[in-house]
Amino acid sequence: DVKVTQSSRYLVKRTGEKVFLECVQDMDHENMFWYRQDPGLGLRLIYFSYDVKMKEKGDIPEGYSVSREKKERFSLILESASTNQTSMYLCASTSPAWDRAHNEQFFGPGTRLTVL
Amino acid sequence: AQKITQTQPGMFVQEKEAVTLDCTYDTSDPSYGLFWYKQPSSGEMIFLIYQGSYDQQNATEGRYSLNFQKARKSANLVISASQLGDSAMYFCAMRGTGGSYIPTFGRGTSLIVHP
Repeated sequence: DVKVTQSSRYLVKRTGEKVFLECVQDMDHENMFWYRQDPGLGLRLIYFSYDVKMKEKGDIPEGYSVSREKKERFSLILESASTNQTSMYLCASTSPAWDRAHNEQFFGPGTRLTVL
Repeated sequence: AQKITQTQPGMFVQEKEAVTLDCTYDTSDPSYGLFWYKQPSSGEMIFLIYQGSYDQQNATEGRYSLNFQKARKSANLVISASQLGDSAMYFCAMRGTGGSYIPTFGRGTSLIVHP
């Protein structure tokens, strides 16, 4: 019954390291999203993708990049991790169809990243 | 541009009582959808309920109901008969139409249910 999975629940990295966060969905959704969640700030969109190899910047793309080589997989990359990127990262997917049964986003379990 | 406002950072409720979590929104889209999600301490976001802007009736899903007042641009979540397992963060979100599939989230409300 698993729909959206993320590669790690907890991750500890050092400043300057390159970090890969992987997200896989099995619902054949076109749209995938990466959010960052910090206390009091809610969910902030980093990047989203509406098709394979297509990506768009969200509200806070600085310091991040993404890759979508296959429809089911959307990767978030921190090129050089910094302490201010310590956060909870959530991946989500959704169908673009404006149909009531398919409106909601499906979220992964989240990755708590700590950068030391 | 879309905006969601949740003015209650934290709420407390006694077990078995009802509680209302506030959500107001702003959008220029003539057609849109409103969502509520629950996030327990485990971190996973769980979809609770959806309301379409042209739906005639307020949405209900078990103990959850959405008090939709279009003229006031509010979409409050009502949880009846609160349970200890309802303690969590709750997020209101909206999504427009016309190809705009990027949801906008509020900052969330932390609900604590006391025994």
